[in-house]
Amino acid sequence: DQQVKQNSPSLSVQEGRISILNCDYTNSMFDYFLWYKKYPAEGPTFLISISSIKDKNEDGRFTVFLNKSAKHLSLHIVPSQPGDSAVYFCAARGQGAQKLVFGQGTRLTINP
Amino acid sequence: ETGVTQSPTHLIKTRGQQVTLRCSSQSGHNTVSWYQQALGQGPQFIFQYYREEENGRGNFPPRFSGLQFPNYSSELNVNALELDDSALYLCASSSSGRTTGELFFGEGSRLTVL
Repeated sequence: DQQVKQNSPSLSVQEGRISILNCDYTNSMFDYFLWYKKYPAEGPTFLISISSIKDKNEDGRFTVFLNKSAKHLSLHIVPSQPGDSAVYFCAARGQGAQKLVFGQGTRLTINP
Repeated sequence: ETGVTQSPTHLIKTRGQQVTLRCSSQSGHNTVSWYQQALGQGPQFIFQYYREEENGRGNFPPRFSGLQFPNYSSELNVNALELDDSALYLCASSSSGRTTGELFFGEGSRLTVL
């Protein structure tokens, strides 16, 4: 039972344009959603999070949007830079738990 | 601030053997979680340790076991290795007082079972 899904295994975007990564979830009890970025041979690093009581959180070039009615969140990166090329994981946390449920990941490639 | 460190970074075992992976948590963090990341998949929760006790477990068989020590470092032990155990094993630390759910990951231990 895949509670968190990233349906796009890969995404290619031109440098300077907007990258939009999508994530869907099924469990309405999730209270925090997070995005992690992973480079090869490194562990995932935290990028940005959003509480289920909000619908938008912004941090520099990164913005996460949460649509609770659709059980959908997205990560916007603008402008995209070559260093953004990595695998991005969406993750969700249930109330009172520190366990994260991860999606399968989306490989983002930024083309010069 | 010292980050999460894991050892070994790579290892090869044969089916039926046992393996121990080690993790030092980030300073100030008292909770350690272990995740398994198979090729092409997202990390999957194995278990979490808090105050030296298992505090939550994912859908993994009992041959996956762990320990947490008084200094909050941790070990993951896997007995009777199977080919499907080949994966990247990630350790993550966090503070129990943290509300945002953010975990800090090490670079992982890549296990290959032949």
